[in-house]
Amino acid sequence: ETGVTQSPTHLIKTRGQQVTLRCSSQSGHNTVSWYQQALGQGPQFIFQYYREEENGRGNFPPRFSGLQFPNYSSELNVNALELDDSALYLCASSSTLSSADTQYFGPGTRLTVL
Amino acid sequence: GQNIDQPTEMTATEGAIVQINCTYQTSGFNGLFWYQQHAGEAPTFLSYNVLDGLEEKGRFSSFLSRSKGYSYLLLKELQMKDSASYLCAVRDRKDDKIIFGKGTRLHILP
Repeated sequence: ETGVTQSPTHLIKTRGQQVTLRCSSQSGHNTVSWYQQALGQGPQFIFQYYREEENGRGNFPPRFSGLQFPNYSSELNVNALELDDSALYLCASSSTLSSADTQYFGPGTRLTVL
Repeated sequence: GQNIDQPTEMTATEGAIVQINCTYQTSGFNGLFWYQQHAGEAPTFLSYNVLDGLEEKGRFSSFLSRSKGYSYLLLKELQMKDSASYLCAVRDRKDDKIIFGKGTRLHILP
């Protein structure tokens, strides 16, 4: 186990709804990255948070937004859900922003949009 | 831009050796990762290379050639539990993002 936790583990929503996913980073880690992983694909980078500020964003529309809290836990919010948003959402934490330190992944939240 | 290529699927026999290749193109290279991902689970870290050469860790080794934009993951003494997807990922120097390939699904036959 990596010490990174995510909730919920599974979620079913309908098109147009909004969803909030949560991630608690490993102790001592101040950077959290979020990824979307569609079936049979590699994880796609959504954005990264470092000390409560967004630091880098992938090719995702503004309806994907996030927050990082003072304890370095993080939320991913998705508005106006679309069918293609169905995927495994992974968060990963690391201890420094720009170093060789690797990311450790949480177990993921599987989101199904109907 | 960034591009990472790895084979979609490979099959090998229990006890054998398999090499999974990865080629990449990036505007600024700052390290290459290999992750293992079992079906329905999160990726788990296997190795990190930032300098050219071979890094060995038990049954797994990872090689990097920065001039060729090439890496491989070598798995020895294959076990059934090694059946998984193997993800190659590159960190971009410009913005520190980690970009993943689509993964290689490895099937181990008894």
